Amino acid sequence: GQNIDQPTEMTATEGAIVQINCTYQTSGFNGLFWYQQHAGEAPTFLSYNVLDGLEEKGRFSSFLSRSKGYSYLLLKELQMKDSASYLCALMDSNYQLIWGAGTKLIIKP
Amino acid sequence: GAVVSQHPSWVICKSGTSVKIECRSLDFQATTMFWYRQFPKQSLMLMATSNEGSKATYEQGVEKDKFLINHASLTLSTLTVTSAHPEDSSFYICSARDGTDSGEQFFGPGTRLTVL
Repeated sequence: GQNIDQPTEMTATEGAIVQINCTYQTSGFNGLFWYQQHAGEAPTFLSYNVLDGLEEKGRFSSFLSRSKGYSYLLLKELQMKDSASYLCALMDSNYQLIWGAGTKLIIKP
Repeated sequence: GAVVSQHPSWVICKSGTSVKIECRSLDFQATTMFWYRQFPKQSLMLMATSNEGSKATYEQGVEKDKFLINHASLTLSTLTVTSAHPEDSSFYICSARDGTDSGEQFFGPGTRLTVL
């Protein structure tokens, strides 16, 4: 079976850096996604990693280690609008997304 | 980028009535569409996967006779909640995949259903 773990909630300060971790167990793997979801809205795509390493996209970066079953999302220069839930999702061998429970990120001034 | 629309954005209905939610891919052909449900402060729960022209595949615990899914074309899928009850009140989100290797799913804006 599959299992995804990520912290339930994190708090960070405006302008700082925060790293949201995601660990997983799976028998089939076709990539790992990170999505951002503001309250009452649908998720929006942030990143996709299928090979080991770091993918950088502006203030957001995502890292994957397949051997360790580990990914993180790194957010730099935090802004108040970054307050949201961040969802880690694993794509299995059938190309279906298996969702983590999400990490609620609270940004304080 | 790929755009997926949903209609209606929100709906309030009486218990026992049926509600239809439409999901459209506006600028690409969606070979596969997904329907999710999300209760407050919970993660997305996949309800069913539909491929154009074939019957939907429902996740365990999802009643196929209650949640009717039709994927009649490559740009439209509909979810009908039949005989809705207050416990069906939730945020329903569709997503679509265009069949490319990335497997990325493009999400609609969601439909908030409230059953009185």
